Amino acid sequence: GESVGLHLPTLSVQEGDNSIINCAYSNSASDYFIWYKQESGKGPQFIIDIRSNMDKRQGQRVTVLLNKTVKHLSLQIAATQPGDSAVYFCAENKGLRDNYGQNFVFGPGTRLSVLP
Amino acid sequence: DTGVSQDPRHKITKRGQNVTFRCDPISEHNRLYWYRQTLGQGPEFLTYFQNEAQLEKSRLLSDRFSAERPKGSFSTLEIQRTEQGDSAMYLCASSQGHIPYVLTFGAGSRLTVL
Repeated sequence: GESVGLHLPTLSVQEGDNSIINCAYSNSASDYFIWYKQESGKGPQFIIDIRSNMDKRQGQRVTVLLNKTVKHLSLQIAATQPGDSAVYFCAENKGLRDNYGQNFVFGPGTRLSVLP
Repeated sequence: DTGVSQDPRHKITKRGQNVTFRCDPISEHNRLYWYRQTLGQGPEFLTYFQNEAQLEKSRLLSDRFSAERPKGSFSTLEIQRTEQGDSAMYLCASSQGHIPYVLTFGAGSRLTVL
């Protein structure tokens, strides 16, 4: 069936290094993607989004790359900080094509641990 | 506006009891969503409102679950005859009514069924 998944369930990085979190999706109709960060005891927090007509988008210390050919999404965090420790989810949506935009499908998440 | 608010944050109940969660979305958002999240998993879609109309319900939403948004503002999610399998975090999110439909989540209501 259609699903969003992650290659690595856990990722440990040294403070100051760059982090790369990967996500694979299988629904070729998905045309909008969001990365969320979830800290313990909190709801998911929007980080960055990308539409399928783009292959790269940059934010503050974060970059999302989209490879539609292999249905792969990645989140790059530059100069990882202790505050980046959290679970990161990618979510896919067909919202730019249908009228409702409610069909977000979330992956299981990757836990990022930043080592001092 | 302080974002999406959910109440209560934690609820412990005995199996068979009914529970109700409330969500207050961002005021200018006309779309409201309920998701369920179990430990170690991503959020799973339950249901969605546009204004007061409930437009979609997931198959996860059994007949023991009911959601309302009577005036197109706050929403409630009620679970009747709770079961231990209902233990989860119930997340509410809202979004604007136009592209992009970025979900803004609340902190969630954690349910523990004993």
